[in-house]
Amino acid sequence: SAVISQKPSRDICQRGTSLTIQCQVDSQVTMMFWYRQQPGQSLTLIATANQGSEATYESGFVIDKFPISRPNLTFSTLTVSNMSPEDSSIYLCSVEDVVGNTIYFGEGSWLTVV
Amino acid sequence: AQSVTQPDIHITVSEGASLELRCNYSYGATPYLFWYVQSPGQGLQLLLKYFSGDTLVQGIKGFEAEFKRSQSSFNLRKPSVHWSDAAEYFCAVGLSNQGGKLIFGQGTELSVKP
Repeated sequence: SAVISQKPSRDICQRGTSLTIQCQVDSQVTMMFWYRQQPGQSLTLIATANQGSEATYESGFVIDKFPISRPNLTFSTLTVSNMSPEDSSIYLCSVEDVVGNTIYFGEGSWLTVV
Repeated sequence: AQSVTQPDIHITVSEGASLELRCNYSYGATPYLFWYVQSPGQGLQLLLKYFSGDTLVQGIKGFEAEFKRSQSSFNLRKPSVHWSDAAEYFCAVGLSNQGGKLIFGQGTELSVKP
């Protein structure tokens, strides 16, 4: 199984600032994804992080607000830009293990915007 | 459009009692189905998955789920609940033509009475 590490695990951020979340996987994976879980809510897919090309964003999410990098097959970053209290959420990285037909999640990054 | 419904927002069961969490999906093709558990302050842990084959799948921690195509359901069951099972449970459908993307249900919060 894939082991996924996310940093930071938690942070308290000031309104108007930006924060970059890192996702590191212990093996090479083709597909990496970023999800958001707002307080008391379910998970919503933000985007697919594509290696070597721009991320593919879901409806309601834009690159200016959530820029994503994917420099190689084991690492990705998600930036939450110009944060507002509405961005207070858990942000989770996930990967697809094609061999095992399984999708794994990191522990999440818990952001509070004040 | 694809969707996942978990009709029960909150369920309370007594320790030692049996458990069934409901999940219904809407998807035109054969779905890939998952159950995840999220303990307070934790990320998502995969309980079990269905891709093909035997419609009764076994997972970790004594959980099992049954895929019923005719009912578009993938209900999660456990014969005897332990206090440590108290958590949020998410059902998700993976889109077979969009590898790795998951659509989540709203979640069911499980409380366990002593």
